[in-house]
Amino acid sequence: ETGVTQSPTHLIKTRGQQVTLRCSSQSGHNTVSWYQQALGQGPQFIFQYYREEENGRGNFPPRFSGLQFPNYSSELNVNALELDDSALYLCASSRAGTNNEQYFGPGTRLTVT
Amino acid sequence: SQQGEEDPQALSIQEGENATMNCSYKTSINNLQWYRQNSGRGLVHLILIRSNEREKHSGRLRVTLDTSKKSSSLLITASRAADTASYFCATDPSLGAGNMLTFGGGTRLMVKP
Repeated sequence: ETGVTQSPTHLIKTRGQQVTLRCSSQSGHNTVSWYQQALGQGPQFIFQYYREEENGRGNFPPRFSGLQFPNYSSELNVNALELDDSALYLCASSRAGTNNEQYFGPGTRLTVT
Repeated sequence: SQQGEEDPQALSIQEGENATMNCSYKTSINNLQWYRQNSGRGLVHLILIRSNEREKHSGRLRVTLDTSKKSSSLLITASRAADTASYFCATDPSLGAGNMLTFGGGTRLMVKP
């Protein structure tokens, strides 16, 4: 197992609500990336944070936002939840200047009803 | 959208047989990585091959890369029931941090005891 942790493990929300997912990166890693994985598909890149700033973003609307803290942990916030937001949300940490090899957490399973 | 496409989408073999999975991608890359995912959990990094490498080995894993054809293959030799999982290729388009990994749709491997 990697040293990346995510919370909560599972979450059920209602359409229109807001959700915050949390991630603690592996020791020594300063970059955090978030991915959305729908059932039966590969992970889709949401965004990456480096030195507390967004450092790349995938094709996701602005209601997906994030933060990175001085200790390199991170949050993913999703506003105005839609049914299609139901997915496994994966956090991955890495160290800048390396080969972008990423260490994934176990994920948060979000269900929107 | 996903850059990589894995082939086959699903593979079922007997224990002891070899499993080969293929990945194709569309744009130039810095490196290509293979990840494994057990049953909706986090991804585990298996192996990374740089764009200037053609073949790499790690234990029972062998990866090849053909940048002229924009394709890669992952071979698992002498498969075990514990190898049952989904396998994803992911491409890194640039050097250093600050960029996303683009994942394919995955190959679901089942190894029967």
